[in-house]
Amino acid sequence: NAGVTQTPKFRVLKTGQSMTLLCAQDMNHEYMYWYRQDPGMGLRLIHYSVGEGTTAKGEVPDGYNVSRLKKQNFLLGLESAAPSQTSVYFCASRNRGLGGELFFGEGSRLTVL
Amino acid sequence: AQKVTQAQTEISVVEKEDVTLDCVYETRDTTYYLFWYKQPPSGELVFLIRRNSFDEQNEISGRYSWNFQKSTSSFNFTITASQVVDSAVYFCALSHNAGGTSYGKLTFGQGTILTVHP
Repeated sequence: NAGVTQTPKFRVLKTGQSMTLLCAQDMNHEYMYWYRQDPGMGLRLIHYSVGEGTTAKGEVPDGYNVSRLKKQNFLLGLESAAPSQTSVYFCASRNRGLGGELFFGEGSRLTVL
Repeated sequence: AQKVTQAQTEISVVEKEDVTLDCVYETRDTTYYLFWYKQPPSGELVFLIRRNSFDEQNEISGRYSWNFQKSTSSFNFTITASQVVDSAVYFCALSHNAGGTSYGKLTFGQGTILTVHP
């Protein structure tokens, strides 16, 4: 079972470059999320989606864009990368309903020089 | 606004010691869920437990136990007879479902780094 798959796992960018992180889930989950993890700050929600074609801002959305053209995929884009976006990014998904746990991908480590 | 506080940034113990990780939360919702996740050195996030706001029963799973006290807004996690394999970062998280508009978003605490020495 693949679960939640993130690509790429590692990436180094120069300031100003753009890139896209891809998240794919094979559990037919309605909800998908992008979090970033920084030392001492836990995980913070960037954007999320409650269904195909819908997206919404989370706690720290600035500098990121997202798209959910297909139910199984949730893309996170950085249009002009900044050093402050150096982080580990986690994608997660879950089904509708109360209290379901999030299933996380393995994380993508992004370094912006 | 919701908030989760894990006051202990780092804890270091020797194998076989018991250790408790504290988690205090703030929410105005009456219906909510609390979670604990483990992040081992390999980096993935592993779900450990979920507890809803109406269920204050403590839970035990092997060497792990959880104490939920609504009166103090705490959801503490105890590892009995710790082992080196317990070394990880542990996150407490809060979800809410007020009116069905939260969509299961989790608010995470800062995490506690647990190191168990042999």
